[in-house]
Amino acid sequence: TQLLEQSPQFLSIQEGENLTVYCNSSSVFSSLQWYRQEPGEGPVLLVTVVTGGEVKKLKRLTFQFGDARKDSSLHITAAQPGDTGLYLCAGSTGGFKTIFGAGTRLFVKA
Amino acid sequence: GAVVSQHPSWVICKSGTSVKIECRSLDFQATTMFWYRQFPKQSLMLMATSNEGSKATYEQGVEKDKFLINHASLTLSTLTVTSAHPEDSSFYICSARFPGGEAFFGQGTRLTVV
Repeated sequence: TQLLEQSPQFLSIQEGENLTVYCNSSSVFSSLQWYRQEPGEGPVLLVTVVTGGEVKKLKRLTFQFGDARKDSSLHITAAQPGDTGLYLCAGSTGGFKTIFGAGTRLFVKA
Repeated sequence: GAVVSQHPSWVICKSGTSVKIECRSLDFQATTMFWYRQFPKQSLMLMATSNEGSKATYEQGVEKDKFLINHASLTLSTLTVTSAHPEDSSFYICSARFPGGEAFFGQGTRLTVV
């Protein structure tokens, strides 16, 4: 069974603080995606990483794919209340399945 | 990114009735679509994989006679919750996997069974 462990599950921080969310697996993924979901809506794709060691930046968000393509991290710099939401990592295998982490619920207080 | 449209966004139905949810990929062909269920403050739980032109593959513990999935074309998959009961109330989300590997999600359907 393929698992994607995401941590932490819940994070409450003050505006301006930095944070990192981790996704780890024993499986190798052909690609890994990060999504953000707001209440009552479907997840929205933030980024896809494909190459081992790849780093992608999206404004204050930095995404990294592990060298072995088994893990990934999302780092948010100077978090803002607008960053509040559920962050999901998802790994894609060579087949058709996308495996989701349990999610990290982030709350940024003003 | 690709667009996946899910309809309806929310539905309230009486216990014992059936509800159909549609998932359409608007600007690409999706040979495979996925259906998820999400409980409050939890992550997505994969219910089934919908393959165009063939039977859906259900995850363990998901009743295929209860949750009927039809993938009639490359752009449309439907989920029918049959004989719905209050415990079926949930947020249902579909996704379509883009050929490059990313999955794009519909906006979700909030089902309330009263």
